[in-house]
Amino acid sequence: GENVEQHPSTLSVQEGDSAVIKCTYSDSASNYFPWYKQELGKRPQLIIDIRSNVGEKKDQRIAVTLNKTAKHFSLHITETQPEDSAVYFCAASNEKLTFGTGTRLTIIP
Amino acid sequence: ETGVTQTPRHLVMGMTNKKSLKCEQHLGHNAMYWYKQSAKKPLELMFVYNFKEQTENNSVPSRFSPECPNSSHLFLHLHTLQPEDSALYLCASRSTGASYEQYFGPGTRLTVT
Repeated sequence: GENVEQHPSTLSVQEGDSAVIKCTYSDSASNYFPWYKQELGKRPQLIIDIRSNVGEKKDQRIAVTLNKTAKHFSLHITETQPEDSAVYFCAASNEKLTFGTGTRLTIIP
Repeated sequence: ETGVTQTPRHLVMGMTNKKSLKCEQHLGHNAMYWYKQSAKKPLELMFVYNFKEQTENNSVPSRFSPECPNSSHLFLHLHTLQPEDSALYLCASRSTGASYEQYFGPGTRLTVT
């Protein structure tokens, strides 16, 4: 089955700087890669996703890149703000979602 | 946010108790999921239902018993649980024909004493 690894597990970034979270996956048949944000005590919410036929996708301060050959994808957050503090999960899907272990992102004011 | 609701939000139960978790989605989706979220572990998929039929049981112990009476409701029946079953149990739903996006409920924080 699919195996998703996510790094780093914790990340502290100065407000205004960029944050990058990386994931690798094992199943070359996976074709959908979402990123979820989970704030403390709240449900995971989709913030951006990418399909395997696209190499990069951007939505305001958030971008995701996908390298199918290397089987890795990354989340980039620019101009970070305190409200970006949360746990971020990557996932890979070929019919079902397999999640990474999460990254706790802390934005330092 | 009322798309996917879960009750109760918090539950404390003894190892000999029987309880049920409820999930309801108001999004017209046809697939529903149960996940377990433990500290420092990835979200673990437990069960998948498509059009009320169970399509996946991810090697979940029989002390967890799911029920899906219709496409809008999903239950997780619990009995003789262990302390290591304490976790956040998340329900999710999606429309299999439209998008891969799964919408999560707020979760039930379960503590087994």
